[in-house]
Amino acid sequence: AQRVTQPEKLLSVFKGAPVELKCNYSYSGSPELFWYVQYSRQRLQLLLRHISRESIKGFTADLNKGETSFHLKKPFAQEEDSAMYYCALRSGANSKLTFGKGITLSVRP
Amino acid sequence: EAGVAQSPRYKIIEKRQSVAFWCNPISGHATLYWYQQILGQGPKLLIQFQNNGVVDDSQLPKDRFSAERLKGVDSTLKIQPAKLEDSAVYLCASSRDRQETQYFGPGTRLLVL
Repeated sequence: AQRVTQPEKLLSVFKGAPVELKCNYSYSGSPELFWYVQYSRQRLQLLLRHISRESIKGFTADLNKGETSFHLKKPFAQEEDSAMYYCALRSGANSKLTFGKGITLSVRP
Repeated sequence: EAGVAQSPRYKIIEKRQSVAFWCNPISGHATLYWYQQILGQGPKLLIQFQNNGVVDDSQLPKDRFSAERLKGVDSTLKIQPAKLEDSAVYLCASSRDRQETQYFGPGTRLLVL
């Protein structure tokens, strides 16, 4: 069965500091990994996916199959990055999404 | 385009009562999902529809939860009877097809007393 682990619940950094949100997964097949974000009082929304290999709002994430990880990184955090971040894995013929427990990112001025 | 709509936004009921949630997906989206998000957890898929057919309900507690999408558009999720542990946010999401991006609604926050 697939599983997504986000080992930390909270990350608090100062503005301008680097950010790394950790995500590890367990899946026997070829995974599709995503990061979703939920800003205060907003809906859950897709931030980025590993297939597109793009940078969104300065965030990047690289799929490391050897370490079964998909960590989210940003070199210089901004206050507007403060939000809840969820890592998710898509699997199976029905493309089911399995989410991690999420991490709160707090960027202080 | 209009986003996924859900109602009600909040609901408080007593245990053993019944409750229903409604979801209107984005127009043209064939796939509809219901998730349960308990405080401190990530969303957990309850049921997935492709048009009006169920493609995954493996994590739906079928003794008390039911869902339908009769015309392949709107959907309702019902809990009868509710238990204390059903207190959660119920999220509806939709996508053009299974492989496409899922768009989430604002959620319904349920409190069972």
